[in-house]
Amino acid sequence: GAVVSQHPSRVICKSGTSVKIECRSLDFQATTMFWYRQFPKQSLMLMATSNEGSKATYEQGVEKDKFLINHASLTLSTLTVTSAHPEDSSFYICSVKAGGRGYTFGSGTRLTVV
Amino acid sequence: TQLLEQSPQFLSIQEGENLTVYCNSSSVFSSLQWYRQEPGEGPVLLVTVVTGGEVKKLKRLTFQFGDARKDSSLHITAAQPGDTGLYLCAGGQDGSARQLTFGSGTQLTVLP
Repeated sequence: GAVVSQHPSRVICKSGTSVKIECRSLDFQATTMFWYRQFPKQSLMLMATSNEGSKATYEQGVEKDKFLINHASLTLSTLTVTSAHPEDSSFYICSVKAGGRGYTFGSGTRLTVV
Repeated sequence: TQLLEQSPQFLSIQEGENLTVYCNSSSVFSSLQWYRQEPGEGPVLLVTVVTGGEVKKLKRLTFQFGDARKDSSLHITAAQPGDTGLYLCAGGQDGSARQLTFGSGTQLTVLP
């Protein structure tokens, strides 16, 4: 698969602040990236599909204004959790599908809102 | 909505034992992938199966795709503590705008 870098790996923020998470495709020009959320010991839940140069496609129940996605280049997608609250604390993971090489996942970001 | 059910949800076994994890759906998938995830890390791809009835082996791990491409299994022989992790199956659909559909996950703990 592609080489995917996600940053930061851990972040702690105060309630009411915003947090930006970056997902970079290092060796593949990704027109599409995917953002997931995962609770402890549970599976991945797709939040949104990030599309380069256009609006992201959000899954049902995911607030667009809460989770802002920007995919301004073929190698970078960002997820911003706005006005974060403790219930937004979770593990966020991005992924890239690099054509025939299949899906590769980032190493994830552990967000803790205090 | 496509659903992938995994069983068991939790499994705790002794080192050296064998185990099988199942992944079932009422939908047909063009491909099915198995991932292993460790705490604080993203999922890592173990295998992709695309042909009904296909069997793939990866050292002590054997993966099978059902003939109808609706189900899959993962068998681990002589489990080791290093096999501990969350195992996820995920189904893909060619031509679908959606990403992978993930199974509910199986948390495996292998005790020394």
